[in-house]
Amino acid sequence: DAGVIQSPRHEVTEMGQEVTLRCKPISGHNSLFWYRQTMMRGLELLIYFNNNVPIDDSGMPEDRFSAKMPNASFSTLKIQPSEPRDSAVYFCASSPTETYEQYFGPGTRLTVT
Amino acid sequence: AQSVAQPEDQVNVAEGNPLTVKCTYSVSGNPYLFWYVQYPNRGLQFLLKYITGDNLVKGSYGFEAEFNKSQTSFHLKKPSALVSDSALYFCAVRAHSNYQLIWGAGTKLIIKP
Repeated sequence: DAGVIQSPRHEVTEMGQEVTLRCKPISGHNSLFWYRQTMMRGLELLIYFNNNVPIDDSGMPEDRFSAKMPNASFSTLKIQPSEPRDSAVYFCASSPTETYEQYFGPGTRLTVT
Repeated sequence: AQSVAQPEDQVNVAEGNPLTVKCTYSVSGNPYLFWYVQYPNRGLQFLLKYITGDNLVKGSYGFEAEFNKSQTSFHLKKPSALVSDSALYFCAVRAHSNYQLIWGAGTKLIIKP
């Protein structure tokens, strides 16, 4: 298996622009997680999907952030409008629910200027 | 409340010496415990987990961890460190009844030749 796939790997955008991050989880995994990693706050869970349904989005910073999972093999995280404080590395992780560990993608490094 | 503590921001070890990266946790009920490693500009990579059974868990790359219920600890160990082990190590815990992983702040491991 190719593992969790994320695109793009790097994104540089200007403040106010819309940003869409993409994730393809490992085939057969039922759970999908979006995380944000910064030096100041470490690793933060943004949202969790189980069987394509959002279960917990309490970590989404504000209404500018939204996430979707239209099918079992694809998820997006959208920021609109983006702000400089959104600059971070965004990770997608998937998990086969019954074995508990999460498998991470390589991340998207987002820079908002 | 659930929490994970990694008391050392950085651990320095000479190549060939044993290494220990410390982790303590607080969780209601039986914990599920995990160690992940993150190399520069990469996603987090699963190393090992404790769910139940033998308190000594063996994982990838020669790493092992010992679950100590009385001390609520799950320290990561390796008998002989390699320079290539230099990375950021994260401990994580989840409660039996909860999907969410609680992450430690990470410990930077530096192995010197």
